[in-house]
Amino acid sequence: DGGITQSPKYLFRKEGQNVTLSCEQNLNHDAMYWYRQDPGQGLRLIYYSQIVNDFQKGDIAEGYSVSREKKESFPLTVTSAQKNPTAFYLCASSIESRGGDQYFGAGTRLSVL
Amino acid sequence: GEDVEQSLFLSVREGDSSVINCTYTDSSSTYLYWYKQEPGAGLQLLTYIFSNMDMKQDQRLTVLLNKKDKHLSLRIADTQTGDSAIYFCAEAMNSGYSTLTFGKGTMLLVSP
Repeated sequence: DGGITQSPKYLFRKEGQNVTLSCEQNLNHDAMYWYRQDPGQGLRLIYYSQIVNDFQKGDIAEGYSVSREKKESFPLTVTSAQKNPTAFYLCASSIESRGGDQYFGAGTRLSVL
Repeated sequence: GEDVEQSLFLSVREGDSSVINCTYTDSSSTYLYWYKQEPGAGLQLLTYIFSNMDMKQDQRLTVLLNKKDKHLSLRIADTQTGDSAIYFCAEAMNSGYSTLTFGKGTMLLVSP
């Protein structure tokens, strides 16, 4: 079935550690996105990519990094510079010309040990 | 700046209609969206409306758009317990490629 797969579902980070969240899609979508969701805060855009080997910062990019080496994959690294990483992270993709019709993965819940 | 506002909570009885409201501030928005999020899951696109439309109906869902007041609503007819979820309003800024700006979500609780 076509869709977006995020892994792992739950992730724990130790102090000073970088962790990477995986996002893979087989929808042949050009654009991919990472959002952070905190309780009562809605979704905030971290990074997005319209095409392979190119990406742009969203509203809250500090402390995060991404890569887009393949069309299907858009991993997010939460670096040690992100001091408050505990949140629910959502990956999405869309056909570039219609950026609003976004398809979401099931999310990764990141907690700090 | 862009801001999308929603009421935080709505409680209805099964079988009643639910109306979830949203206001947005950017008059250049071209598409407006409603997404649904069930507990612990990602978001699911429910429906959208183009800015030159006033109304769109899709089975139990009716979207109304008042551009003058920058007001968007989602009506769910014959609300079921399975409709309990968080509903997000979102706007896209232009007709080409665009990111979305989301509201904070409205939690809908449907009681039997």
